[in-house]
Amino acid sequence: LAKTTQPISMDSYEGQEVNITCSHNNIATNDYITWYQQFPSQGPRFIIQGYKTKVTNEVASLFIPADRKSSTLSLPRVSLSDTAVYYCLVGYGNKLVFGAGTILRVKS
Amino acid sequence: SAVISQKPSRDICQRGTSLTIQCQVDSQVTMMFWYRQQPGQSLTLIATANQGSEATYESGFVIDKFPISRPNLTFSTLTVSNMSPEDSSIYLCSVEDRRAPTDTQYFGPGTRLTVL
Repeated sequence: LAKTTQPISMDSYEGQEVNITCSHNNIATNDYITWYQQFPSQGPRFIIQGYKTKVTNEVASLFIPADRKSSTLSLPRVSLSDTAVYYCLVGYGNKLVFGAGTILRVKS
Repeated sequence: SAVISQKPSRDICQRGTSLTIQCQVDSQVTMMFWYRQQPGQSLTLIATANQGSEATYESGFVIDKFPISRPNLTFSTLTVSNMSPEDSSIYLCSVEDRRAPTDTQYFGPGTRLTVL
């Protein structure tokens, strides 16, 4: 059963590092994990994508263990503007499944 | 990344009517996707639209209710037919950008539909 699971919500303070984990036990061998950020009334915005180990870009890092059954999006030093919903998207062969989304609330 | 626009951005419609949503991309893309996002929910894929072939619908979605056109490599439409209040959602198109290192989907801004 293709299922992508992430926490419903997380709270953080400005300047902290935030880690959001997504579980995807049945990810297909050749498929990637992609993370998106969505603000109200906007379409999801691509953040980062990875296949294994660690990927880093200018906004985030993505950690994927060897078994690839989970992945962790890491946002360094969050600010108030990072308050949004974060989705992981995982491939299960011929099917892509979004997680339910994690509401991140950043407080001052 | 590809720049995607959708029209209309929002609409309020009466039950029993139909609405056609347009999706325009600034570059040629092979695969376009249509998603539905109900209030407070995640995204659910409706169908995949490839140019020159019939759209492929996901379980629970049928062509009679959500007909899709894909006349060229930069444009697609989704029609929500015979609408009911349960169709009130955000409808999003996305494209797969093969210029990226790996296949990545980029999303339009969405169309917020309210059915009365």
